[in-house]
Amino acid sequence: GENVEQHPSTLSVQEGDSAVIKCTYSDSASNYFPWYKQELGKRPQLIIDIRSNVGEKKDQRIAVTLNKTAKHFSLHITETQPEDSAVYFCAARTGFQKLVFGTGTRLLVSP
Amino acid sequence: GAVVSQHPSRVICKSGTSVKIECRSLDFQATTMFWYRQFPKKSLMLMATSNEGSKATYEQGVEKDKFLINHASLTLSTLTVTSAHPEDSSFYICSAISQGNTGELFFGEGSRLTVL
Repeated sequence: GENVEQHPSTLSVQEGDSAVIKCTYSDSASNYFPWYKQELGKRPQLIIDIRSNVGEKKDQRIAVTLNKTAKHFSLHITETQPEDSAVYFCAARTGFQKLVFGTGTRLLVSP
Repeated sequence: GAVVSQHPSRVICKSGTSVKIECRSLDFQATTMFWYRQFPKKSLMLMATSNEGSKATYEQGVEKDKFLINHASLTLSTLTVTSAHPEDSSFYICSAISQGNTGELFFGEGSRLTVL
């Protein structure tokens, strides 16, 4: 089955810096790659997703890139703000099958 | 976006008792719902896939008799933790894909179970 690895586990940046989180997946048939932000005790919130027919997608300060050949995808957050501090999870799915999550990255943005 | 509601948000029970958690899709019909478990500072681990009108598909290592899942309608799935023990204490989150959806998963608010 699918296996998703995520790095780094913890990321500390200064406000205004960029943050990059990377994930790799194992199943070449996976075609949907969402990113979630989860605050303590809350449900995961979808922040951006990308499908396998697209190499890059951007939404304001957030962007995701996908390299199908290397089977990895990355989340890029520019101009980070303290409210971006949270745990971020990547995930991968084949078709409408189960979503497999990465291990999570705790992002801390210091003012 | 679609709304998934989960209840209760918090529950405390004694060891040996059973607890039922409900997951409802409020504005769409969900043929498939997923139940996840999350330990503190850990990722979401899929427990089972719940399909309306059929038996749930459990992930390896998840006890079917302990975590009973029922998906009796297109808007409701339930997770019952039977004979709960302290090690069952966790954050349980349900999610759903709508029938016409292109793949986005909608999550419930989560239920924090504490077994004393």
